Amino acid sequence: EPEVTQTPSHQVTQMGQEVILRCVPISNHLYFYWYRQILGQKVEFLVSFYNNEISEKSEIFDDQFSVERPDGSNFTLKIRSTKLEDSAMYFCASQGNTEAFFGQGTRLTVV
Amino acid sequence: GEDVEQSLFLSVREGDSSVINCTYTDSSSTYLYWYKQEPGAGLQLLTYIFSNMDMKQDQRLTVLLNKKDKHLSLRIADTQTGDSAIYFCAETLNNAGNMLTFGGGTRLMVKP
Repeated sequence: EPEVTQTPSHQVTQMGQEVILRCVPISNHLYFYWYRQILGQKVEFLVSFYNNEISEKSEIFDDQFSVERPDGSNFTLKIRSTKLEDSAMYFCASQGNTEAFFGQGTRLTVV
Repeated sequence: GEDVEQSLFLSVREGDSSVINCTYTDSSSTYLYWYKQEPGAGLQLLTYIFSNMDMKQDQRLTVLLNKKDKHLSLRIADTQTGDSAIYFCAETLNNAGNMLTFGGGTRLMVKP
């Protein structure tokens, strides 16, 4: 069964450093998303991506964040100058028609 | 803005039915979803229902939607210990593209 793959599963970074979280969506899907889940809180929408551009973004997705689909398979989330409060589980999702399928997540810990 | 609420915790005995409830505030929901999250794992899509449907059944899972009361439920028949997880309801809205708004999750504990 096709699945969304995320790497790394766990990333520890120092405050102020840049991180890139990687995702390989399901191959024939057209919509791609990033969500995050801070420990003990709700899963929150960050950004959606369609046709090689951002289609929607939340208030959380400020200038510190960017997304890219550098080739036909990868979808990345870059966080510049990480802060302690960026520590969370980051989920990538891809969608064909109705159903969004999520990856296993990357746990980002900012120290 | 839209809000999706769930109770935090549910405990049942193995073999019993579980009913997990969810309420939402925005009447322009298009699809409503149930996701399952096991410890340390991602979000697994269980089932979804279109907002003009009242019920959907998929093996042990039954989704009921009361659009008037803005209430969604997930019934798991013959609950097994492997069903222990956090269950999230989520919705997409008519005017908000495909983004999902999640509830806080209900932790289901199944006792042998």
